Amino acid sequence: AQKITQTQPGMFVQEKEAVTLDCTYDTSDPSYGLFWYKQPSSGEMIFLIYQGSYDQQNATEGRYSLNFQKARKSANLVISASQLGDSAMYFCAMRGIYRGSTLGRLYFGRGTQLTVWP
Amino acid sequence: EAQVTQNPRYLITVTGKKLTVTCSQNMNHEYMSWYRQDPGLGLRQIYYSMNVEVTDKGDVPEGYKVSRKEKRNFPLILESPSPNQTSLYFCASSLRPRADTQYFGPGTRLTVL
Repeated sequence: AQKITQTQPGMFVQEKEAVTLDCTYDTSDPSYGLFWYKQPSSGEMIFLIYQGSYDQQNATEGRYSLNFQKARKSANLVISASQLGDSAMYFCAMRGIYRGSTLGRLYFGRGTQLTVWP
Repeated sequence: EAQVTQNPRYLITVTGKKLTVTCSQNMNHEYMSWYRQDPGLGLRQIYYSMNVEVTDKGDVPEGYKVSRKEKRNFPLILESPSPNQTSLYFCASSLRPRADTQYFGPGTRLTVL
């Protein structure tokens, strides 16, 4: 069964510092995709970054990078130079991209509430 | 503008009164899905659709129905809503099941009294 685990219910970071949000996953599929989403207090889901399990390099998008360690089944999100506007709930998710019953389906972790203080 | 729209955005209803939450995308996406978000549980998939007339259950389908008669629309139907269906609902779509981007609608906050 697909499972995403985010062990940090809440994280605090000072403005301009870097922060790492943890995510581990469990799957028996040989290929899969990993996502991070941001959900501000307004409620919308904002896509941040994507990593394919077959990608050799870690994904980066501006201040966001995904620290992908396949052997450890971890996909941590690193936010560099935190800003006050980064305060939000962050979700890690895994998408089935192999064949079978998991194809296309997105499995979410329970989220980490990040608070950035000045 | 490429987008996923949901209506209504907010709804308060009573137990047993049938309701439909509409979802529409203008990107000609094949894959569409519905999620519910509850505090402390993250998002859980209710139903998904690989294409027109192809739908299947997700992890929490009880009490919900869907249909996919047109590619752009994927309505979520609650035949007899109950208070445990009070939640934040998201519709999402992607070009293909293996796409690296999934677009989310703005969410529908449903309260069942």
